[in-house]
Amino acid sequence: AQSVTQLGSHVSVSEGALVLLRCNYSSSVPPYLFWYVQYPNQGLQLLLKYTSAATLVKGINGFEAEFKKSETSFHLTKPSAHMSDAAEYFCAVGNRDDKIIFGKGTRLHILP
Amino acid sequence: NAGVTQTPKFRVLKTGQSMTLLCAQDMNHEYMYWYRQDPGMGLRLIHYSVGEGTTAKGEVPDGYNVSRLKKQNFLLGLESAAPSQTSVYFCASTDSGANVLTFGAGSRLTVL
Repeated sequence: AQSVTQLGSHVSVSEGALVLLRCNYSSSVPPYLFWYVQYPNQGLQLLLKYTSAATLVKGINGFEAEFKKSETSFHLTKPSAHMSDAAEYFCAVGNRDDKIIFGKGTRLHILP
Repeated sequence: NAGVTQTPKFRVLKTGQSMTLLCAQDMNHEYMYWYRQDPGMGLRLIHYSVGEGTTAKGEVPDGYNVSRLKKQNFLLGLESAAPSQTSVYFCASTDSGANVLTFGAGSRLTVL
């Protein structure tokens, strides 16, 4: 089954700076890719999903992700970080056997 | 709509005891999943179900059993709890493998 790797368990950015969270998937093109966010003491909620309709996917709260087949990547970005973006972010892949597998997560810290 | 409801929210067990976590969804979803979340490990898939009466193993199935006797319910059982099963457990559901997971609020289990 496909898996995902998230580079960096913790990322710190200054408020107003670019946010870049990295996610790489296994070598073959996965059917579906997702980014989820988890705020403290809450469950996960969807930020965005890729389903091959477009390589640049826009999500909620100003986040977007670009699917790059040549790099087997699906990195998450936001042009300007806000304090409310502090959370843990998970990349996930949907497999053809219906397993949905998550990465280990990246905790985003926003510096004032 | 309640969405996905997990019970109990908290539980403390002694090693060797058994217990069942209940997940109930009111969205008529076919697919249901159980994950465990541990620090630095992300969410790991325990078992999942693609329909009433079906179950399948995920990434870390050992020590757990599941049942999906009714479409709306997905039960996760621990027959003989071990300290290594101390974790936060999340249930999620979706109407297909391509779609967005709706998560419950989580169940925090401590095994002493």
